Amino acid sequence: GAVVSQHPSWVICKSGTSVKIECRSLDFQATTMFWYRQFPKQSLMLMATSNEGSKATYEQGVEKDKFLINHASLTLSTLTVTSAHPEDSSFYICSAKRRDSSNEKLFFGSGTQLSVL
Amino acid sequence: EDKVVQSPLSLVVHEGDTVTLNCSYEVTNFRSLLWYKQEKKAPTFLFMLTSSGIEKKSGRLSSILDKKELFSILNITATQTGDSAVYLCAGFNSGTYKYIFGTGTRLKVLA
Repeated sequence: GAVVSQHPSWVICKSGTSVKIECRSLDFQATTMFWYRQFPKQSLMLMATSNEGSKATYEQGVEKDKFLINHASLTLSTLTVTSAHPEDSSFYICSAKRRDSSNEKLFFGSGTQLSVL
Repeated sequence: EDKVVQSPLSLVVHEGDTVTLNCSYEVTNFRSLLWYKQEKKAPTFLFMLTSSGIEKKSGRLSSILDKKELFSILNITATQTGDSAVYLCAGFNSGTYKYIFGTGTRLKVLA
């Protein structure tokens, strides 16, 4: 159990367009989902923490108007990169923490490789 | 500021070798240390450690936490080419509910 599905796996878009990435917990309810960004050969950089039914908490330096996060249900969080530019090209990955668990085990989606032309 | 440091940054070994990966942390309200293996995409969970001195094992992998010295190690014995990956460790801050990831150790196992 504890599968997190992330879609799409990769996306290529033109500069100025918006891209939506979905993160779903398939067999559990997630109180909290985290969105990370990862550059090649670097570690995971936390962008924002998403709690169901409330506004996301963004890390310092992350533009909330550019990276819109919606956590509409206990199984779905979305990240929308608005007006994407080439510097937004990166690997975006979500993770979820189980609602029914007191431990801190995180489950990751398979990531989305975004390329902005 | 919370931080997690992993060493070495990269490592190349031959099949059958034993490797030890290090993770030191400075995390306020520390509650647990997690290890993940990242091959191409999603990190996969390996271990979660909360208590000092208790070794966790899974096949050829084992890990232990030292909360006094603030570090953890991940051991892989009899390495195989399939062990080639980036190994990430993360500290969990129970005050902020955030996970602080290290930069990872890139392991390459040669046949």
